[in-house]
Amino acid sequence: GENVEQHPSTLSVQEGDSAVIKCTYSDSASNYFPWYKQELGKGPQLIIDIRSNVGEKKDQRIAVTLNKTAKHFSLHITETQPEDSAVYFCAASKGSNYQLIWGAGTKLIIKP
Amino acid sequence: EAQVTQNPRYLITVTGKKLTVTCSQNMNHEYMSWYRQDPGLGLRQIYYSMNVEVTDKGDVPEGYKVSRKEKRNFPLILESPSPNQTSLYFCASHDANTGELFFGEGSRLTVL
Repeated sequence: GENVEQHPSTLSVQEGDSAVIKCTYSDSASNYFPWYKQELGKGPQLIIDIRSNVGEKKDQRIAVTLNKTAKHFSLHITETQPEDSAVYFCAASKGSNYQLIWGAGTKLIIKP
Repeated sequence: EAQVTQNPRYLITVTGKKLTVTCSQNMNHEYMSWYRQDPGLGLRQIYYSMNVEVTDKGDVPEGYKVSRKEKRNFPLILESPSPNQTSLYFCASHDANTGELFFGEGSRLTVL
């Protein structure tokens, strides 16, 4: 069946450095790719998303890139700060409908 | 303020004792869903509802029931909880215009 693989499961970076989280999806009909951030004790929150007609999208220190040919997309966080420490989830739509297939999550640790 | 409210936030129960986790949203969204989150498995969808009186199974529906009698509420029912249903549960509502999911704060359930 369709799945989304997310790597790494844990990422530790020095404050101020960049962090990259990668996801690979299998459903060639997927056309929507969101990223969610989950802080400790809270529900996930959307931080950025991208649709299949766009290759890259930026919002301040975060960016997402999409390679439809290779079926992978990545989250890039520059100039990391302590408040970036969280679990990050990628997801891909099941075709063009509301349903999402989720990655297993990446725990990002920002070292002071 | 846009909100998804779920209760209880924490619950310890025993095998076989029926329980209900309530979920309410104030955004007038038609689509709502329930997820469970387990370490290393990410978010798995239990049930979803596209509108009032319309519900469908997600990826892991066994042992759960839902109902959608009104747009704002989408309770999750465990008729006879078992220890393998010990998990962190999230309710979410979906903005059909943007694709964004709004999650509740989570309900941590322990079944002894």
